[in-house]
Amino acid sequence: DSGVTQTPKHLITATGQRVTLRCSPRSGDLSVYWYQQSLDQGLQFLIQYYNGEERAKGNILERFSAQQFPDLHSELNLSSLELGDSALYFCASSVEGGWGYNEQFFGPGTRLTVL
Amino acid sequence: AQSVSQHNHHVILSEAASLELGCNYSYGGTVNLFWYVQYPGQHLQLLLKYFSGDPLVKGIKGFEAEFIKSKFSFNLRKPSVQWSDTAEYFCAVNDYGGSQGNLIFGKGTKLSVKP
Repeated sequence: DSGVTQTPKHLITATGQRVTLRCSPRSGDLSVYWYQQSLDQGLQFLIQYYNGEERAKGNILERFSAQQFPDLHSELNLSSLELGDSALYFCASSVEGGWGYNEQFFGPGTRLTVL
Repeated sequence: AQSVSQHNHHVILSEAASLELGCNYSYGGTVNLFWYVQYPGQHLQLLLKYFSGDPLVKGIKGFEAEFIKSKFSFNLRKPSVQWSDTAEYFCAVNDYGGSQGNLIFGKGTKLSVKP
């Protein structure tokens, strides 16, 4: 158990819908990262928040957004869902969020299936 | 942009065979290097990490990796694999000199160990 929690574990929805994935980082970690794991793209970085502020953006679609709340939990919002958005979404956390040594601890993931 | 290549998509070994999984990255500056493992149905777990010092790093479960800067490589090794090592292995890089703390992952190598 990494100490990072994600809910829900599984999510099945239809195309065009909107879903919210939730992540609680390890106690004391200020930085949260979201990754998407799909069969064709592999593991791809989406977005990072550090202490409530967006720190870095990766291959995140405009239909996707995220935020980190004052209690440091984070939510990833996926809207206008398409079949290709079906994937495993991982959240990771680390103490720091930028330069230098940066070990990330991963949550169990949310498996999203878009029908 | 930084990229990570893992040479083998799927490796099949018998128990007690030796393992070497290749990983090359593209960035020439200072990097932090990681190997993560994902057991079937589970989240990513850190196997080992390199950020400075001795280029031969030892991780959990008998794994080790060697950082060869001149070859931009960070290959993972284990002298004798077990059936329980069946999993997917991901090499990842954190660009130390960049402004982002996110990890860039390779596509992963699936290891199947036959009992």
